[in-house]
Amino acid sequence: NAGVTQTPKFQVLKTGQSMTLQCAQDMNHEYMSWYRQDPGMGLRLIHYSVGAGITDQGEVPNGYNVSRSTTEDFPLRLLSAAPSQTSVYFCASSYSGGLVSEQYFGPGTRLTVT
Amino acid sequence: TQLLEQSPQFLSIQEGENLTVYCNSSSVFSSLQWYRQEPGEGPVLLVTVVTGGEVKKLKRLTFQFGDARKDSSLHITAAQPGDTGLYLCAGERNNNNDMRFGAGTRLTVKP
Repeated sequence: NAGVTQTPKFQVLKTGQSMTLQCAQDMNHEYMSWYRQDPGMGLRLIHYSVGAGITDQGEVPNGYNVSRSTTEDFPLRLLSAAPSQTSVYFCASSYSGGLVSEQYFGPGTRLTVT
Repeated sequence: TQLLEQSPQFLSIQEGENLTVYCNSSSVFSSLQWYRQEPGEGPVLLVTVVTGGEVKKLKRLTFQFGDARKDSSLHITAAQPGDTGLYLCAGERNNNNDMRFGAGTRLTVKP
């Protein structure tokens, strides 16, 4: 099993550009989520999904879109990148939602918006 | 303002020393987890606690969930350089996938 994979590992965008961060898992997990990690702020939940076709907003959803067409994939779209979106982005998956089920994190995507 | 406050923010100790890091909140959590994160990698789960007053041990690490389920502590006995990393606590409120992380304690254990 590859676990949770994320691409790209690094990305530089100009303000206003759009892009999609890819996340895939091969563990047949129902629950997937996206976090951003900023210095001194910890990880903040952006969006999550409890199964294919179902998504919901987390703590900081503005400026990001998600969709979940398959169990395996959960892409994160930045519609019009802003410098405030410079961060490290982590995708995670678990068998079920909530913290009783162990979350597995991907290696992260480091995004810089200039 | 962080929902979960972790202290200290930074901790540098010598190998063999004991240490405790804290995760505090004014909110009640249905469950709480501790993670360790290495540079350039995602967090890795250490433990989940769900019952107020619960104590779990993982080798030299002892985790405690407060009686009121608002706080938690992580105690490391005889720290080793391999314990170096960022320790994060995360809590779920209301069993509704509303998961919040603390900012973390960055631990350095010097040989």
